[in-house]
Amino acid sequence: GAVVSQHPSWVICKSGTSVKIECRSLDFQATTMFWYRQFPKQSLMLMATSNEGSKATYEQGVEKDKFLINHASLTLSTLTVTSAHPEDSSFYICSAGQGSKNIQYFGAGTRLSVL
Amino acid sequence: QKEVEQDPGPLSVPEGAIVSLNCTYSNSAFQYFMWYRQYSRKGPELLMYTYSSGNKEDGRFTAQVDKSSKYISLFIRDSQPSDSATYLCAMSGALTGANSKLTFGKGITLSVRP
Repeated sequence: GAVVSQHPSWVICKSGTSVKIECRSLDFQATTMFWYRQFPKQSLMLMATSNEGSKATYEQGVEKDKFLINHASLTLSTLTVTSAHPEDSSFYICSAGQGSKNIQYFGAGTRLSVL
Repeated sequence: QKEVEQDPGPLSVPEGAIVSLNCTYSNSAFQYFMWYRQYSRKGPELLMYTYSSGNKEDGRFTAQVDKSSKYISLFIRDSQPSDSATYLCAMSGALTGANSKLTFGKGITLSVRP
């Protein structure tokens, strides 16, 4: 099956620092990767769509300068939360589109806690 | 009205019960329908993928899509405690491009009692 690896699984950082989260498709190439945010007991909220070799497409209300996305290869996308603040604390999940049906397979998520 | 509605539950059933999970949607452009299972503090895991109307069966799981009613269902037969998780429906209008992004239901938390 399609495997998506996300790292780190949990990060604690001080307010004002930046945090990078990696998303890798291990056994397939993904032209498109997606970044989501999930609050407790809520559904997934799409933040941005990342296309290999081009700029990410951000959803309305998501600050592109705050959440930097890089998709430099067909197997790796990164999300950097810049100058993180406590309100950025959340569960961040990536997914990668696989195959002709572009079915999304998800990483295990990253729990970010900003102190 | 939200694009995708899903009763958030929670839902508690005894082991061995048949579970029925449902979502309704308003966007008639949706063509691709998925059910994901999410355990606590983990990423969603794809359970079922269906295109357009019809039924699809995989082991104890059956997915149904009724596009005329804009209603999708997931049935779990012989439910097990290991099925206890949050179940999310998701749908999209296309395989690629702007309409390929998934719209999720809120998720329903299922608990199967031994």
